[in-house]
Amino acid sequence: DAMVIQNPRYQVTQFGKPVTLSCSQTLNHNVMYWYQQKSSQAPKLLFHYYDKDFNNEADTPDNFQSRRPNTSFCFLDIRSPGLGDAAMYLCATRARDTRNEKLFFGSGTQLSVL
Amino acid sequence: DQQVKQNSPSLSVQEGRISILNCDYTNSMFDYFLWYKKYPAEGPTFLISISSIKDKNEDGRFTVFLNKSAKHLSLHIVPSQPGDSAVYFCAAPGDNYGQNFVFGPGTRLSVLP
Repeated sequence: DAMVIQNPRYQVTQFGKPVTLSCSQTLNHNVMYWYQQKSSQAPKLLFHYYDKDFNNEADTPDNFQSRRPNTSFCFLDIRSPGLGDAAMYLCATRARDTRNEKLFFGSGTQLSVL
Repeated sequence: DQQVKQNSPSLSVQEGRISILNCDYTNSMFDYFLWYKKYPAEGPTFLISISSIKDKNEDGRFTVFLNKSAKHLSLHIVPSQPGDSAVYFCAAPGDNYGQNFVFGPGTRLSVLP
């Protein structure tokens, strides 16, 4: 089945140790998003790719970077994780050409920072 | 900037009764709205959407109502089932092109047997 796949489901890292989360999709969607969700809060958009065009939200910390080497894959790099970066990270995709179209989410990666 | 509010953090409903979840938004950038359902440790799954050309959209037990003048959405679940117990998120466009979506903080629905 076409889907959005995030690996790993659970990631534990140490304070300050770089970590990379990955997302792949078989939907061939042009737009890919990274959201951060902390407990009992709204998912917060970090950035998104419109094809290869990178769009950073104004309040996304510099500590967060992203790469999209091709249509299918997108990575979230956290250069120096702090305790406050512990959260669920959600990848989502969307077809660009249809204005009324939903986002498809992966299962998320739960990041713990020790 | 778009803000999305879901003022009820939690809601408990008896099985078989109606569940009504509310959502308010601040900016009518682009009138297309989404509802998602989320179970613990899983990603959100799409439930139902509505665009500005309608004031109601129905899919089985789920109906979403849109009041554009009040900038208000509501999701009705009838009849509620224990499997509906989850967190429900409302999402509204965060830009004029309908490409970004801003999510509300969610309402945790508990359907009691």
